[in-house]
Amino acid sequence: EPEVTQTPSHQVTQMGQEVILRCVPISNHLYFYWYRQILGQKVEFLVSFYNNEISEKSEIFDDQFSVERPDGSNFTLKIRSTKLEDSAMYFCASGAGQLSTEAFFGQGTRLTVV
Amino acid sequence: AQTVTQSQPEMSVQEAETVTLSCTYDTSESDYYLFWYKQPPSRQMILVIRQEAYKQQNATENRFSVNFQKAAKSFSLKISDSQLGDAAMYFCAYNNGAGSYQLTFGKGTKLSVIP
Repeated sequence: EPEVTQTPSHQVTQMGQEVILRCVPISNHLYFYWYRQILGQKVEFLVSFYNNEISEKSEIFDDQFSVERPDGSNFTLKIRSTKLEDSAMYFCASGAGQLSTEAFFGQGTRLTVV
Repeated sequence: AQTVTQSQPEMSVQEAETVTLSCTYDTSESDYYLFWYKQPPSRQMILVIRQEAYKQQNATENRFSVNFQKAAKSFSLKISDSQLGDAAMYFCAYNNGAGSYQLTFGKGTKLSVIP
């Protein structure tokens, strides 16, 4: 069964460093998303991406964040200068149609900023 | 802004019994979508069931069913004949469907299944 895969499963980085989280969405999907879940808190929407551009983003998704689909298969989330409060689980998701149909989530990347 | 509230941080159920997880939401929209996602220890969030607000009939997927009360803005999940593999975090989620892509999640309910 096709699935969304994320790498790495756990990333530890020093405060101020840049980090790139990688995702391989399901191959025929057109809509891509990043969510995050700070420990003990809600899953929060960060950004959606369609047709090679951001279609929607939350207030969390500030200038420190960027997304890219560099090669038609990977979908990446970059955090330019990590802060302690960026420590969270980051989930990538993809969908064949708009979200009302279904979003398939990856297993997440646990980011720890020290 | 839409909010989703899950008032039960933890629930437990005896194997083979039935359990109901609660979810309420706040919205001014009339057409929207509601979801229940399951997050087992493997962390991957899996869609359990989906409900379109314009449909009066409650969605059902095998042992999973919902009680959708639109006027009360309530969307509870019923799991029948609970199995050990049902143990997980369950998240209720909302999408306003008005061209928005994002899901708004509740805080989750941790379900334990007792053998």
